[in-house]
Amino acid sequence: RKEVEQDPGPFNVPEGATVAFNCTYSNSASQSFFWYRQDCRKEPKLLMSVYSSGNEDGRFTAQLNRASQYISLLIRDSKLSDSATYLCVVLSGGSYIPTFGRGTSLIVHP
Amino acid sequence: EPEVTQTPSHQVTQMGQEVILRCVPISNHLYFYWYRQILGQKVEFLVSFYNNEISEKSEIFDDQFSVERPDGSNFTLKIRSTKLEDSAMYFCASSEAGHNQPQHFGDGTRLSIL
Repeated sequence: RKEVEQDPGPFNVPEGATVAFNCTYSNSASQSFFWYRQDCRKEPKLLMSVYSSGNEDGRFTAQLNRASQYISLLIRDSKLSDSATYLCVVLSGGSYIPTFGRGTSLIVHP
Repeated sequence: EPEVTQTPSHQVTQMGQEVILRCVPISNHLYFYWYRQILGQKVEFLVSFYNNEISEKSEIFDDQFSVERPDGSNFTLKIRSTKLEDSAMYFCASSEAGHNQPQHFGDGTRLSIL
């Protein structure tokens, strides 16, 4: 089983839609979780950290489910500018080596 | 907003040659990283660096790779004898307060090995 798995998509949604991505991780000792976005041939940019209690930043909501070992990202009221690849990053306790998922591609169309 | 800067943006090198990629992390950050991303693949961790020494390194980071912080601002990645499979985008990143904190990425150096 891969350490960090994401559905590659693409998720093709109209403007204004709500879309959600999941990311599963295999190491139950994982402690820190992040969502980054990456535009084509650009660097990853931090979107948000994921906290145990869940957290929200404007149209974006991140959740952590430790029992089922996944994190999620919900995007409400999608904008054209949300089109990107969304990367899940997991750090395992004891070894601070970040593991990236392959990313989920989102395409928001008019 | 402060940012991580990387030079050059594109490096073309003959196989077997040495290459040095340069990064200037955000000035008050203490933790530094190098990643690579082969075209179409996921971002892969290479090495982390804190307090002038390597904290963690991946299996990719073999004897051909080295990192250095030669002065108070630069953080470099050296590949001693490049191979065709080293062709990738190399990203530098830094974080302020710890390895488990969010990282800020530079815009990368595209390395092409001929």
